[in-house]
Amino acid sequence: AQSVTQPDIHITVSEGASLELRCNYSYGATPYLFWYVQSPGQGLQLLLKYFSGDTLVQGIKGFEAEFKRSQSSFNLRKPSVHWSDAAEYFCAVGAITGNTPLVFGKGTRLSVIA
Amino acid sequence: DADVTQTPRNRITKTGKRIMLECSQTKGHDRMYWYRQDPGLGLRLIYYSFDVKDINKGEISDGYSVSRQAQAKFSLSLESAIPNQTALYFCATSEATGGETQYFGPGTRLLVL
Repeated sequence: AQSVTQPDIHITVSEGASLELRCNYSYGATPYLFWYVQSPGQGLQLLLKYFSGDTLVQGIKGFEAEFKRSQSSFNLRKPSVHWSDAAEYFCAVGAITGNTPLVFGKGTRLSVIA
Repeated sequence: DADVTQTPRNRITKTGKRIMLECSQTKGHDRMYWYRQDPGLGLRLIYYSFDVKDINKGEISDGYSVSRQAQAKFSLSLESAIPNQTALYFCATSEATGGETQYFGPGTRLLVL
């Protein structure tokens, strides 16, 4: 079975600074990987996903993530954070067989300060 | 109109009451899910359904039941609500393919007194 770890519970960054949110997964084959964002009072919205091919994936709102098989990681990055990026971010891993639901990490809460 | 809708959006109930949360989707997806979200615990899967005749328990199904009335509808029931079921509940849907992207509803905030 697959699993995912988000080591950082809460991160605070200054507006305009760069951001990296960490995600590590465990799965015996090539996984499907996702990042979702949950803005305050909202449901979860897909930021980006990795299925295969190019290991650097571009998403919405200027986010990108890089799949590193050797490190079992799928870290989310943004070069310059905006105050509106303050939210909770969830990494998720899916099985290539598609016969089990996605497994979500516990989330990383991002605060943005002026 | 939203693709995945949940009703009610907010609910306050008392211990011991039976309550039903409803989810409807217009995406035409076969797969539907119920999660609960608690601070610091992330999303935990309660039940999921891969098609109308398929119901599966998730990580935390005790105290909950579900009904898949149609492809588009998936309801979650709390048979006898208790305070530690106070949480934010999300419904989600996905296509029946590998690596499915899940699409989430706006959530139902439930308070059990």
